Order: sequence, then C-alpha cells, then structure tokens
Amino acid sequence: NAGVMQNPRHLVRRRGQEARLRCSPMKGHSHVYWYRQLPEEGLKFMVYLQKENIIDESGMPKERFSAEFPKEGPSILRIQQVVRGDSAAYFCASADLDTQYFGPGTRLTVL
Amino acid sequence: QKEVEQNSGPLSVPEGAIASLNCTYSDRGSQSFFWYRQYSGKSPELIMFIYSNGDKEDGRFTAQLNKASQYVSLLIRDSQPSDSATYLCAVNRNSGNTPLVFGKGTRLSVIA
Repeated sequence: NAGVMQNPRHLVRRRGQEARLRCSPMKGHSHVYWYRQLPEEGLKFMVYLQKENIIDESGMPKERFSAEFPKEGPSILRIQQVVRGDSAAYFCASADLDTQYFGPGTRLTVL
Repeated sequence: QKEVEQNSGPLSVPEGAIASLNCTYSDRGSQSFFWYRQYSGKSPELIMFIYSNGDKEDGRFTAQLNKASQYVSLLIRDSQPSDSATYLCAVNRNSGNTPLVFGKGTRLSVIA
C-alpha cells in the first residue's frame, strides 16, 4: 500500500499530557500538510512542511504545537500539554505537485 | 465573507437522479479547485480537480468552474446510495504546492 500512512489511528490523552502524531507521505512525495477537523467543522490548515523545512505554519497555534519532517522518518505533529479543545481529527496530506492525498487521520481524544 | 462557502445540506436526492453540489469562493486569484468526498468517520478522498473554466467529466462526476462568477460545482449523475457522504470543496489560492482552503462541506443523502 503506497498511500499516506498515519499513526496512531486513535489516541487518548489526559489533560496536560503530550500527543505525538506521525505521518508518512506517499512514496515519491516530499510535501506534507497537516489539517485539523473539529466536530461538525471543516478542515483547517495547520502547517506545511518539506523535508527538514517548515514552509508555512500560519495555521498552527503559536503555543503547545510544533511540527517537523526530518530527513529520515515520518513527519511528526506534537501537541504539548493537551487540553480538551485539542480533541479533533488530525489529517495529514501528501502532495507531489498541487494535488493533495489524505491519510486516514488520527482521532485525538483528550479526557 | 467566508473564503469557501458551501450549503451544509443535507441535500436529499432519489437514487438515479442527478445531485448538484455548489461552492463559491472569495479569492478571485484562486487557481485550482478540488472536490473531496468524506464518509462519516473517514478521511477525505479526492474525487476531482479542475483548473480551467468549463466542464470536466470523469465517469459519473462532472466538475464545472466559472472563474468570473467565482463558482465551482460538482454534478453526480445516476446517484447511488453509496454516494451518500459529505462533499468538500477546496481551493488552492496559488498554483503549485500551497495549503488548501476548505468549505465546511455539503451532506448528500441518496435515497433508495
């Protein structure tokens, strides 16, 4: 399966803990986007990365959230000190040109 | 004004009918337009993309773009119950790799 992979698919954290979400793009794709979808809301852009570079992080909250896409390994979205409002589905998309293909998502629940 | 607007629905059509989904966008400089289908609890799945004014057909799906009116639509012919999903309109404000701006989606229900 050469699709976008995300793990874990479901993640439960208590308030104050850290959440780490991983994304491996499709083979041959070097562009990774992270989006967040709150219940009953549309998809909202968070951050756009290429290997070892953050290209656009305009949609990411300034505090507690960070992202990376190292030379080797998956892209990681990290949420520190999670709060209940962080509960959402987090989707990663990879692209070669301008067409983005989504992974299955990580559903984060903060208790 | 929201950047990408869609009627939230639900849009109900009988099986075999044509479903028409509409989307308007505010940024006149937008370059690329995408339709994604999202089943409940699943991730968005690319249905079609369109860059130029006019119609683009792929099987039972037709995307229509009118840049002058800042309007893009998706027609689904011979609708099936399996087409019941939320359809997301997405706009790329620049050519190449840039973030997509999504509408909130239209829920389509195809009644058997």
